[in-house]
Amino acid sequence: QSALTQPASVSGSPGQSITISCTGTSSDVGSYNLVSWYQQHPGKAPKLMIYEVSKRPSGVSNRFSGSKSGNTASLTISGLQAEDEADYYCCSYAGSDVVFGGGTKLTVL
Amino acid sequence: QVQLVESGGGVVQPGGSLRLSCAASGFTFSSYGMHWVRQAPGKGLEWVAFIRYDGSNKYYADSVKGRFTISRDNSKNTLYLQMNSLRAEDTAVYYCAKDLRGFRGIMDYWGQGTLVTVSS
Repeated sequence: QSALTQPASVSGSPGQSITISCTGTSSDVGSYNLVSWYQQHPGKAPKLMIYEVSKRPSGVSNRFSGSKSGNTASLTISGLQAEDEADYYCCSYAGSDVVFGGGTKLTVL
Repeated sequence: QVQLVESGGGVVQPGGSLRLSCAASGFTFSSYGMHWVRQAPGKGLEWVAFIRYDGSNKYYADSVKGRFTISRDNSKNTLYLQMNSLRAEDTAVYYCAKDLRGFRGIMDYWGQGTLVTVSS
């Protein structure tokens, strides 16, 4: 049950695009198309942004997109906005458990 | 609308016990699996446990296996987490979350969390 690997921080200017990577193993990310991404603002509960690698829940902006290649999943945010500044966590089903990434702090410059 | 409201957090001494509750409303609770996820102060999210819609199967993180028990009462629309032999490292905000379907690790709704502090 090792945590998925995410960069600790990323940054971008308003209007730009950023990508957050999430690296797992063949036992989690690589084996299942069950990667999800969560946004968390300070003091708030996490919010589901992407599920099953690339699907967006109703109400989530189409500026958020997800993909996966092998053992690595990615979250891309295009047209960065100030309100996107938050912590982002990837998550993967792993057969008999669930594993999160360590989280990435997104700063909008 | 879906609501998940956790309760039962507080301060407990190392080695002590605590039971968390999560009251669900706005959806057919008995049809969905449920998770507990925790977040230590200033740290990331950690999955704790999952229970299937009917309570038939339960899954735990290694860090809590043998000490924590997840359960549910579908007649009361309530999820529970019994925490025994608590350690300082169990200090965290505990969230309950609904799975989108089955056991997929896709948490589409979350509660606001309840803080558990393990300290002497």
